[in-house]
Amino acid sequence: GENVEQHPSTLSVQEGDSAVIKCTYSDSASNYFPWYKQELGKGPQLIIDIRSNVGEKKDQRIAVTLNKTAKHFSLHITETQPEDSAVYFCAASMAGTALIFGKGTTLSVSS
Amino acid sequence: DTGVSQDPRHKITKRGQNVTFRCDPISEHNRLYWYRQTLGQGPEFLTYFQNEAQLEKSRLLSDRFSAERPKGSFSTLEIQRTEQGDSAMYLCASSRGASNTGELFFGEGSRLTVL
Repeated sequence: GENVEQHPSTLSVQEGDSAVIKCTYSDSASNYFPWYKQELGKGPQLIIDIRSNVGEKKDQRIAVTLNKTAKHFSLHITETQPEDSAVYFCAASMAGTALIFGKGTTLSVSS
Repeated sequence: DTGVSQDPRHKITKRGQNVTFRCDPISEHNRLYWYRQTLGQGPEFLTYFQNEAQLEKSRLLSDRFSAERPKGSFSTLEIQRTEQGDSAMYLCASSRGASNTGELFFGEGSRLTVL
């Protein structure tokens, strides 16, 4: 089955800096790669996703890149703000199997 | 859109007791998922339904766990003879469509503590 590895497990940045979180997946058949943000006491919430026919996607300060050959994808957050502090999860799936999550990255943005 | 709701939000039980969690998905969503999350870990997939049909079960779902979605609306997750290792947050999510490649909307979870 699919296995998703995520690094780093914790990340501390200064407000205004960029943050990068990286993930690798094992099943080359996976074709959907979302990123979720989880704040304390809440369920995960989708922030951006990418499909295997696209190499990069941007949404304001957030971008995701995908390298299918290497089976890895990354989340980039620019101009970080204190409200970006949360746990971020990458995930992978294909049409017939459920979403498999990485173990998460705790991002702390200090002002 | 009232979101995914889960009940109870917290449950404390003694080892060996049975517990049941309920999930009410977003009304027009036909897919419903159960995940388990322990401290410092990502959500671990347990099972999912397409309408009332249970399409996939994880190896994590031992014989003590059973999930139902009898009318394709709400779902229940029952854990029999609870063990301390069952202590976790149980997350429910729902989605539209007939594929696993779409946005999941999560509830706030049901936290289980087994003493």
